[in-house]
Amino acid sequence: GAGVSQTPSNKVTEKGKYVELRCDPISGHTALYWYRQSLGQGPEFLIYFQGTGAADDSGLPNDRFFAVRPEGSVSTLKIQRTERGDSAVYLCASSPSDGYTEAFFGQGTRLTVV
Amino acid sequence: GIQVEQSPPDLILQEGANSTLRCNFSDSVNNLQWFHQNPWGQLINLFYIPSGTKQNGRLSATTVATERYSLLYISSSQTTDSGVYFCAVSGNQFYFGTGTSLTVIP
Repeated sequence: GAGVSQTPSNKVTEKGKYVELRCDPISGHTALYWYRQSLGQGPEFLIYFQGTGAADDSGLPNDRFFAVRPEGSVSTLKIQRTERGDSAVYLCASSPSDGYTEAFFGQGTRLTVV
Repeated sequence: GIQVEQSPPDLILQEGANSTLRCNFSDSVNNLQWFHQNPWGQLINLFYIPSGTKQNGRLSATTVATERYSLLYISSSQTTDSGVYFCAVSGNQFYFGTGTSLTVIP
């Protein structure tokens, strides 16, 4: 596609459940980022992939959060045992090469944990 | 990590007015971008501007990397300019400021 695509656009889940959020980057972009944005705040870094490997996962808040990018394209952010505090908009971005080129963001997935 | 401060935090303008938004950052960066987050939450790229000056229609931006700041100029503002403007800088990851919330009233 022309831009970064994220699915689903909205997800409501019950506390304690497992969720997966998907990101399709711009074709040919090797760098992929996940961010989380709470109401009234700027996006907060979670993880950065260069190709298939996580180059920097220092932003993942705890071991309930995990992300993969097995073929260097689509990425999935996985959250286990969801908590109400995980409710936020999860944003994905991609850029053409490494972390120092222009990044393009998807429309986000709004996660609500009830 | 790199600290990014944006000012002002909130701005209300009459349609047609001009404004300047500022972004200060705490360390040398390799990349700086300005985004507009629309009411639906989408981050729209405005400028990729690690240094120098760029213009795109009514918007322009200047980054003075040696002094660690960037400015976004909006001229002849329109109601569709409303939303939150973010500055993001990168060292090894992108660091976002807390944004400037702009409201343009008719």
